[in-house]
Amino acid sequence: TQLLEQSPQFLSIQEGENLTVYCNSSSVFSSLQWYRQEPGEGPVLLVTVVTGGEVKKLKRLTFQFGDARKDSSLHITAAQPGDTGLYLCAASGGSNYKLTFGKGTLLTVNP
Amino acid sequence: DAGVTQSPTHLIKTRGQQVTLRCSPKSGHDTVSWYQQALGQGPQFIFQYYEEEERQRGNFPDRFSGHQFPNYSSELNVNALLLGDSALYLCASSLGGQGAYGYTFGSGTRLTVV
Repeated sequence: TQLLEQSPQFLSIQEGENLTVYCNSSSVFSSLQWYRQEPGEGPVLLVTVVTGGEVKKLKRLTFQFGDARKDSSLHITAAQPGDTGLYLCAASGGSNYKLTFGKGTLLTVNP
Repeated sequence: DAGVTQSPTHLIKTRGQQVTLRCSPKSGHDTVSWYQQALGQGPQFIFQYYEEEERQRGNFPDRFSGHQFPNYSSELNVNALLLGDSALYLCASSLGGQGAYGYTFGSGTRLTVV
């Protein structure tokens, strides 16, 4: 069974601060995805990474896939209140059609 | 271009009853997956439908069943509801099963079993 461990579980910061969220596993994945979910809504895809060592940037968000394709990080620069939400990493591997999700990091950015 | 549409948005059922949830995938998508998300947890995979057949199933009992129609829409049925079935049920669509480039999720159906 593939397990994804996300840390920290909760994060509360002030507007303008930087933060990093981690997603780790003992398994190798063919692809890893990051989603953001707001209360009462479904997850919204932020990025997909497929190549070990890959770095992708989305405005103030930087995503990195580990060289061994077992871990990933999400770094947010100069966080804003609009970044508040539950950040979920999800992965699939091999012939597996399902996505395995981590428990998420609940981020609160205070004005 | 409509995304994934789920209905109803909220539902309250009594223990032992049966429920049907509905999902219309994003235009151009042919695969539908269902997830259960308990409060404070990440979504858990229930099953995936492709070409009107269940292609993969997660660790959920047979009380959970589904169907996919020729227009790619899907239903999730849960029989003999338990209090523990209370959760947000999410439908996700993709083109092809593995969703290697991401899934599009609906806003979910919030099911409360009392």
